Amino acid sequence: QQQVKQSPQSLIVQKGGISIINCAYENTAFDYFPWYQQFPGKGPALLIAIRPDVSEKKEGRFTISFNKSAKQFSLHIMDSQPGDSATYFCAARHSNQFYFGTGTSLTVIP
Amino acid sequence: GAVVSQHPSRVICKSGTSVKIECRSLDFQATTMFWYRQFPKQSLMLMATSNEGSKATYEQGVEKDKFLINHASLTLSTLTVTSAHPEDSSFYICSASTGTTNWVFGQGTRLTVV
Repeated sequence: QQQVKQSPQSLIVQKGGISIINCAYENTAFDYFPWYQQFPGKGPALLIAIRPDVSEKKEGRFTISFNKSAKQFSLHIMDSQPGDSATYFCAARHSNQFYFGTGTSLTVIP
Repeated sequence: GAVVSQHPSRVICKSGTSVKIECRSLDFQATTMFWYRQFPKQSLMLMATSNEGSKATYEQGVEKDKFLINHASLTLSTLTVTSAHPEDSSFYICSASTGTTNWVFGQGTRLTVV
């Protein structure tokens, strides 16, 4: 059973546009929600993370929006750049164990 | 920042041989490390939790006799794929905690069994 559901599976955005990736979860015991960025042949790298007592967190062009009542959270990439082209994974943590979404392949077209 | 180093980054081995993958936390101590497996264009699948000084905890469906994990020190965990077969070919990734909320991932090891 997929603990964290992620959509879309792939996304194509024009340079300068906004990329939005969504995740949903069921387990209310999750206490930490990170987003990871992964380039081909590399391990995931932490991009930004949020705790459930915060509704939004912004770091540069990256913003997480968190809706605790809906059990949903999303990643927004503003002014998307070709260098942002990668696979993005959302995750949720419970008892020191991470559950990953299925990933979104983002392509930013110049 | 905290770095987790995985070695080797790529390995090709013959079917039936064993391969060891190392995961090192370079500038911090990690009592717990995780090992993941990732198939092409898919998410990370947790294989096992490696605890320093004790036996690893394996996820359901992961053969502990095939995927041997040793966490002998606070900075090193190893995954040995024994009697490797082509179906074991995959991308293996480890991660370790810095003790805060950040789990740092290694760069991954691409294993190809021929």
